[in-house]
Amino acid sequence: NAGVMQNPRHLVRRRGQEARLRCSPMKGHSHVYWYRQLPEEGLKFMVYLQKENIIDESGMPKERFSAEFPKEGPSILRIQQVVRGDSAAYFCASSPPGIRTEAFFGQGTRLTVV
Amino acid sequence: QKEVEQDPGPLSVPEGAIVSLNCTYSNSAFQYFMWYRQYSRKGPELLMYTYSSGNKEDGRFTAQVDKSSKYISLFIRDSQPSDSATYLCATLAGGSQGNLIFGKGTKLSVKP
Repeated sequence: NAGVMQNPRHLVRRRGQEARLRCSPMKGHSHVYWYRQLPEEGLKFMVYLQKENIIDESGMPKERFSAEFPKEGPSILRIQQVVRGDSAAYFCASSPPGIRTEAFFGQGTRLTVV
Repeated sequence: QKEVEQDPGPLSVPEGAIVSLNCTYSNSAFQYFMWYRQYSRKGPELLMYTYSSGNKEDGRFTAQVDKSSKYISLFIRDSQPSDSATYLCATLAGGSQGNLIFGKGTKLSVKP
């Protein structure tokens, strides 16, 4: 049973470009969460999705950031017009339906904006 | 006041020592508490979770919650160099939210 798969592992973007981060949850998991980890900071919640639904996006910056979890395919976190401050590790976690206490994380995507 | 506070360390101990890692939280409504281990440049790995007050043991690891003082602890017995990592405490946000609220993590180094 493969774990949570994130790709790419490393992503370099120039300021103003778009970044797309992908996350495939564990088999049988229908809940996906995105977190951001800045250097020397803890993990900060961004968004919580179920298939075709955004459940909670209270941690998402109001502009430039969006997320989706389509019926088919991985969840996507999209950052438009990236700025240097977006450089961070972005982690995706998934959990089975009804068991929010068992969230398993992927290895993360390290975004560097140059 | 942050919702979950954790001393970032670093904490350095000799192999075989008992390690105590601690967090405090601010909201008495929090019910579920987790401990994650994160190796450098890797994703967090769930070690264990507890509900409400009490202890939970898993091998060399014991998680403890004291709701009266809003204090959560992780004890590692017979620590090994392979335990060297950052340990993150977390709590589950309430209501319809499914997200975790994390402390900043404590960096632990176990010296052979």
